[in-house]
Amino acid sequence: DSGVTQTPKHLITATGQRVTLRCSPRSGDLSVYWYQQSLDQGLQFLIQYYNGEERAKGNILERFSAQQFPDLHSELNLSSLELGDSALYFCASSTRVFSTDTQYFGPGTRLTVL
Amino acid sequence: DAKTTQPNSMESNEEEPVHLPCNHSTISGTDYIHWYRQLPSQGPEYVIHGLTSNVNNRMASLAIAEDRKSSTLILHRATLRDAAVYYCMTRMYSGGGADGLTFGKGTHLIIQP
Repeated sequence: DSGVTQTPKHLITATGQRVTLRCSPRSGDLSVYWYQQSLDQGLQFLIQYYNGEERAKGNILERFSAQQFPDLHSELNLSSLELGDSALYFCASSTRVFSTDTQYFGPGTRLTVL
Repeated sequence: DAKTTQPNSMESNEEEPVHLPCNHSTISGTDYIHWYRQLPSQGPEYVIHGLTSNVNNRMASLAIAEDRKSSTLILHRATLRDAAVYYCMTRMYSGGGADGLTFGKGTHLIIQP
């Protein structure tokens, strides 16, 4: 158990819909990262937040957005969903933003878009 | 971050040592070498990282070549629970500009009982 929690575990929705994925980082961690894992693209970094502020963006679509709240939990919002958005979404957390900091991953949310 | 090359898959027997290679010929002087693994149906998990010297922890050892163009992750006594995809990556040292990890395809390690 990494200490990172993600809800829900599974999500099934239809094309065009909007969903919100939630992540609670390990106690004391200030940095949160979101990743997408699909069969064809592998594991890809989407976005990072540190202490409430956006720090870095990866391959995140404009239809996706995220935020980190004062209690440090984070939410990833996916809108206008397409079939290709079906994937595993992982959240990770680390203590700070040093590149040598270990990232601790949650168990993931499996999103299925029908 | 330097590009890394790993074998697609490797097979080993239980309770034998496993050596997982990684090439990173374009690594720069301030790039750290990190290893993560992903067990089936789980999120990735940190294994080990190092800069120049060999490193040991409770999970594994990391042997870094003298020219740093390659490294080897060593599992001293593999168990069935070590069956996973192992990812090698390099990360430039940064005290404030770090972002997400860049995962390649990794090495799928199969452990035979």
